[in-house]
Amino acid sequence: KNQVEQSPQSLIILEGKNCTLQCNYTVSPFSNLRWYKQDTGRGPVSLTIMTFSENTKSNGRYTATLDADTKQSSLHITASQLSDSASYICVVSEGSQGNLIFGKGTKLSVKP
Amino acid sequence: DTAVSQTPKYLVTQMGNDKSIKCEQNLGHDTMYWYKQDSKKFLKIMFSYNNKELIINETVPNRFSPKSPDKAHLNLHINSLELGDSAVYFCASSVKRGSTEAFFGQGTRLTVV
Repeated sequence: KNQVEQSPQSLIILEGKNCTLQCNYTVSPFSNLRWYKQDTGRGPVSLTIMTFSENTKSNGRYTATLDADTKQSSLHITASQLSDSASYICVVSEGSQGNLIFGKGTKLSVKP
Repeated sequence: DTAVSQTPKYLVTQMGNDKSIKCEQNLGHDTMYWYKQDSKKFLKIMFSYNNKELIINETVPNRFSPKSPDKAHLNLHINSLELGDSAVYFCASSVKRGSTEAFFGQGTRLTVV
């Protein structure tokens, strides 16, 4: 069964600190993996995409990694800001139909 | 210049009523979607349309009926609303079927009382 599991469910950190969010998936065949950021009261917005051959990709203070062998991805946020407070959703695209499999998200709260 | 817009943003209605949520995208995308986000914040796909044709219809009660008059619009009509229908409904679009980047609207928070 195609599934995407994220951890932790929620996370509280102090402004300026770093954090890492985890995503494990069992989607097959795998096409690619995206991290979305969902601010409260808004729709998700794509942060980064990881394809099978990519190990690391950065987008500003966000760095995503992918280990296609272990089927794991992480999203690392450096020097966190209050505006990073949001839910971060890992989405894996299933390769045959292009269906998107959503994780339940990690709710990040950055405190001053 | 809203890319994907939904109306209304909030909808409070009584059980048994029929309601519609409208969605429009001005991105020129071929594929549009409806997602439901429940109280646990889990996004689940309901429908997917490609060039006005239904391509995905997940296990959703037939009280939910999508309508796509053209590829820029995908409306969601819900009959005989139930308490369990309370959720946030997101419309989204993507360039084409199988394209993995979905652009989401701001959501419609439906509360059934």
